[in-house]
Amino acid sequence: DQQVKQNSPSLSVQEGRISILNCDYTNSMFDYFLWYKKYPAEGPTFLISISSIKDKNEDGRFTVFLNKSAKHLSLHIVPSQPGDSAVYFCAARYGNKLVFGAGTILRVKS
Amino acid sequence: NAGVTQTPKFRVLKTGQSMTLLCAQDMNHEYMYWYRQDPGMGLRLIHYSVGEGTTAKGEVPDGYNVSRLKKQNFLLGLESAAPSQTSVYFCASSPRGGGSNEKLFFGSGTQLSVL
Repeated sequence: DQQVKQNSPSLSVQEGRISILNCDYTNSMFDYFLWYKKYPAEGPTFLISISSIKDKNEDGRFTVFLNKSAKHLSLHIVPSQPGDSAVYFCAARYGNKLVFGAGTILRVKS
Repeated sequence: NAGVTQTPKFRVLKTGQSMTLLCAQDMNHEYMYWYRQDPGMGLRLIHYSVGEGTTAKGEVPDGYNVSRLKKQNFLLGLESAAPSQTSVYFCASSPRGGGSNEKLFFGSGTQLSVL
């Protein structure tokens, strides 16, 4: 039973446009949400996070939105750049553990 | 600053063989984790440790054992490898939990194939 779901396995976006990656969760006890980015042959790296008491967090080109009533999280990248092409994992914290989604492959075309 | 280092990077085993994956971190982090990544499954937690001498089970602990004898090292053992354990294994560490310190620092992974 996957508690964190990323329903889109892949997304293709033109350079300069907005990329929107989505994540849904089922456990209302999650209190912190994070996005990680992964390039091939490397480990995931932290990108941005949001506490469950907030609905938006922004860091440069990256913004994370949290809709607690819908149990939905999204990551917006504006403008998208070719270097953003990677796998993006959504993660949620419960206790000492992070639960990850299956990931979304983002391809930014130049 | 090396961060999180995993050895080996690649390994091929025959069914029934045993091996140990080593993870070392130089950031003085309290928490350490072992994840496996499989296609369509994301990262699944195998075991974790909240401090030297402690370990706990994650989502998929069966077939694996771990030890945290030193704060900087976290070992993952496979006693009798099975083809279902073919995967990419990631080690991660994090500072003591709480506040905004939830982000994990990952190693570059170990590709394990069990034939």
